Amino acid sequence: SQQGEEDPQALSIQEGENATMNCSYKTSINNLQWYRQNSGRGLVHLILIRSNEREKHSGRLRVTLDTSKKSSSLLITASRAADTASYFCATGPSGGYQKVTFGTGTKLQVIP
Amino acid sequence: GAGVSQSPRYKVAKRGQDVALRCDPISGHVSLFWYQQALGQGPEFLTYFQNEAQLDKSGLPSDRFFAERPEGSVSTLKIQRTQQEDSAVYLCASSSLDGGQSSPLHFGNGTRLTVT
Repeated sequence: SQQGEEDPQALSIQEGENATMNCSYKTSINNLQWYRQNSGRGLVHLILIRSNEREKHSGRLRVTLDTSKKSSSLLITASRAADTASYFCATGPSGGYQKVTFGTGTKLQVIP
Repeated sequence: GAGVSQSPRYKVAKRGQDVALRCDPISGHVSLFWYQQALGQGPEFLTYFQNEAQLDKSGLPSDRFFAERPEGSVSTLKIQRTQQEDSAVYLCASSSLDGGQSSPLHFGNGTRLTVT
């Protein structure tokens, strides 16, 4: 079963615009990660935010985490056609080993 | 190579056949995961190894699925008597343990299994 749900399921924007994707999850977490998947390829890790962090930046990526609402958002600024991909949030539970559980994904299309 | 390698890249099996999917993790990575990804869905957890120990196999769909990592490096996912519902992409990922803290997963490109 999926731990997280991304919203929206699909998003289409023009190159240069910002893209925002949201993730909601169900149980207590140790960390939350975002991954990108290009068609026919494996997932690539983008960014990890720990449960005691509220915001993190990496290049054009900005991630926020609200543990009280069990939600996270991924913002991609100044999008490029190469950002076209599916984006997944993944959670690592608090306690125990790091069983990483993925959400359902947001399919992003950036139109040149 | 420095990444996670999976083979074969594509596998077509007739219903009822057995298949074996191989994963070569990044050298020195302690943790190894198998996921199943249906078309248009997120990866679903199958099983987890820490070195050679299979610590969690709660995601394996049935007793037709079996995974091993006998020497703590290469892993094999075996599916016996394949069924059409087994058609999916099987992803392997590895990660290093960092004193118990979380670390990113490094994925291979997957094996696309089609059962006809």
